[in-house]
Amino acid sequence: EPEVTQTPSHQVTQMGQEVILRCVPISNHLYFYWYRQILGQKVEFLVSFYNNEISEKSEIFDDQFSVERPDGSNFTLKIRSTKLEDSAMYFCASSYGGAVQYFGPGTRLTVT
Amino acid sequence: EDKVVQSPLSLVVHEGDTVTLNCSYEVTNFRSLLWYKQEKKAPTFLFMLTSSGIEKKSGRLSSILDKKELFSILNITATQTGDSAIYLCAVDARNYQLIWGAGTKLIIKP
Repeated sequence: EPEVTQTPSHQVTQMGQEVILRCVPISNHLYFYWYRQILGQKVEFLVSFYNNEISEKSEIFDDQFSVERPDGSNFTLKIRSTKLEDSAMYFCASSYGGAVQYFGPGTRLTVT
Repeated sequence: EDKVVQSPLSLVVHEGDTVTLNCSYEVTNFRSLLWYKQEKKAPTFLFMLTSSGIEKKSGRLSSILDKKELFSILNITATQTGDSAIYLCAVDARNYQLIWGAGTKLIIKP
C-alpha cells in the first residue's frame, strides 16, 4: 500500500541553524501539506501546496519557513534559522484531492 | 475563531467495553469532519463525514455527524487493547486546511 515517507526520523540542530525536512508524498497525489505537533499539544496546520505553489498557510508559517517541490517526488520544508520553540514533530501529508490526507511518520525536530 | 473541541480528554476502560468519543466544532465554513487514530506517530485516517445522520462504519468503529448541533461521535464497540490510541477529530473549514481537536487518549485495560 502506498505511503508517505519522511526523512530524517529525528533531527537535532542548534538554534540559528537551517534545517530541511524531507517528504515523499504518495505518487499520484496532488496536494501536499506540512503540520507540526509540539509535544503534548494539538496538531497545527502550517502550509498546503498545490500545482507548485502555496495554496494556504497559517500564521505560524512566517518568513523563516519555506516549502519546495524540487523534483517530481520530494516535498521539503525548510526552516531558515531555527528557534527553541520550533522543536516539535513535523508531519507531512498528501491527498489526491479533498480533505482525506495521508500522513507520514513524522520528523522529530529538536532545537538546542 | 474556528475551533474543534474533543471530550473526554482521556478515557480508561476495560476490554470489551463500548466507548463514545465526542467532537464538537465551531467553524465559519464547514466542509467536512474527519476522524484519525494516532498511535505511536502519524495519524491514520478512519472516517470522513460530510452529511448529517449518515453513519459511517468500519468493523467495530462507527461515526456519525450532526450538522445542526455541530458535533460528531466516534463509537468503538467490544474494545480491544489494540484500540488504545489518541483519537483525533479534525474539521476542514477552508481549502483542506484541517483544524484539529486536542484528541482523546483512550486506554483499554486487559
